[in-house]
Amino acid sequence: GAGVSQSPSNKVTEKGKDVELRCDPISGHTALYWYRQSLGQGLEFLIYFQGNSAPDKSGLPSDRFSAERTGGSVSTLTIQRTQQEDSAVYLCASSLRIQETQYFGPGTRLLVL
Amino acid sequence: GQNIDQPTEMTATEGAIVQINCTYQTSGFNGLFWYQQHAGEAPTFLSYNVLDGLEEKGRFSSFLSRSKGYSYLLLKELQMKDSASYLCAVRVGYSNYQLIWGAGTKLIIKP
Repeated sequence: GAGVSQSPSNKVTEKGKDVELRCDPISGHTALYWYRQSLGQGLEFLIYFQGNSAPDKSGLPSDRFSAERTGGSVSTLTIQRTQQEDSAVYLCASSLRIQETQYFGPGTRLLVL
Repeated sequence: GQNIDQPTEMTATEGAIVQINCTYQTSGFNGLFWYQQHAGEAPTFLSYNVLDGLEEKGRFSSFLSRSKGYSYLLLKELQMKDSASYLCAVRVGYSNYQLIWGAGTKLIIKP
């Protein structure tokens, strides 16, 4: 079956612009996670969605970052007024239920000039 | 705080055995994961340990000692395609979904 998909695969933007990153989880997976991976660093948790519950936004680094998940499926991560330090790979993962193994998408490589 | 340590890089020879260590100091513990990540690709799940001992899965085995805060991933009969980064992650927290990730170990396989 289809895995987690993300788009775009690469994004180059200018400092100060807004960007939207999309994630399509595996069909039927109720949990969805966003991570950020910088060069030489471990994955940094950003936000978590579980079913219709309120998301856990505790990992978002600033109020420029927001995310939503529509209809319990597709999720969009939005970064407003991008900064150079936002350059990283943004990974999305989904799992069937809480505590289940997380399956990752290929990521979006964001470069802010 | 939460801390997970892995060696940054390791080199091994095709056909040999390599052990990648992971030590953790976390506020809680409810399982440890190993993921493989090839350059430019998504992490893929390898193994999960929640009880002490060795879990074997083909050429890959993973070991956990909760009292020592220690795990290792053992790769046997190394193949060139095993060249990748290996990520260790610990599940912590009351909610049981948050993972704390190590920076990963880049494994280079030489012929």
